[in-house]
Amino acid sequence: GENVEQHPSTLSVQEGDSAVIKCTYSDSASNYFPWYKQELGKRPQLIIDIRSNVGEKKDQRIAVTLNKTAKHFSLHITETQPEDSAVYFCAALTYTGRRALTFGSGTRLQVQP
Amino acid sequence: NAGVTQTPKFQVLKTGQSMTLQCAQDMNHEYMSWYRQDPGMGLRLIHYSVGAGITDQGEVPNGYNVSRSTTEDFPLRLLSAAPSQTSVYFCASSYGRKAGPGTEAFFGQGTRLTVV
Repeated sequence: GENVEQHPSTLSVQEGDSAVIKCTYSDSASNYFPWYKQELGKRPQLIIDIRSNVGEKKDQRIAVTLNKTAKHFSLHITETQPEDSAVYFCAALTYTGRRALTFGSGTRLQVQP
Repeated sequence: NAGVTQTPKFQVLKTGQSMTLQCAQDMNHEYMSWYRQDPGMGLRLIHYSVGAGITDQGEVPNGYNVSRSTTEDFPLRLLSAAPSQTSVYFCASSYGRKAGPGTEAFFGQGTRLTVV
C-alpha cells in the first residue's frame, strides 16, 4: 500500500519568515495530494490540494509543488503569521487496492511573534 | 447544511464494553471513512465505504465494525473496547470518484475516546 513520509515533525519560524514542509510518497498510482491544517482540538481542514497533472498551485500565501518523478510534494507558506501555528498533514490519494487517503505523520509549525 | 456530524464528542469506556460512534453527512457524499488519530502517527484509515451497502477495510480495521445502510450515515462500532483503542476518531466524507475537486475529505469534529 501507499506510504507517506513527512518532514520535519516540528518547525519553528519567526513571524514573516517562510516555512516549507516536505512529503514523499511510494505509490506511483497516487494522483491527488491534499494538505490539511489542524488546530489544537479541532478537525483537520483542507488548505490546498494538487492533482498529479499539475506541478505547482498557489493560493495567496500558501503554495504546493509536486514532483511526480521523484514522488515528493511540498507545502510552502510565505510571510508566516502567528495564526499559521498548527499541525499540518499531507496526504496522498490512491486507488491501488483501495480508494484511500494515506496521511503523513504531521508537522507541528510554530510561528514566533 | 451541517456538513459531517459526529457524536459523541467525548466518551469513556471500560475495557470490554461496546459502543457505537455515530457519523452523519448531509452533502450527499458517496464516500465516507473513519480514521483514528494517535499522537505522532497522523490519521490512519479504519474502514471506508464507497456507497450505501458497500464497505471495506482500511489500514487498522481490527476491533471495529461498520455498516452503511444509507448514504447519510456511517456508524463505527467498537465490539469489545481495549485500552489500545484510546484515540481520537474522525469521520470524513467526500463525493469524488476521481482525483480532483470533491475528492478532499470533509471531517467531522472528532470523538475523543478513552478506554480504561
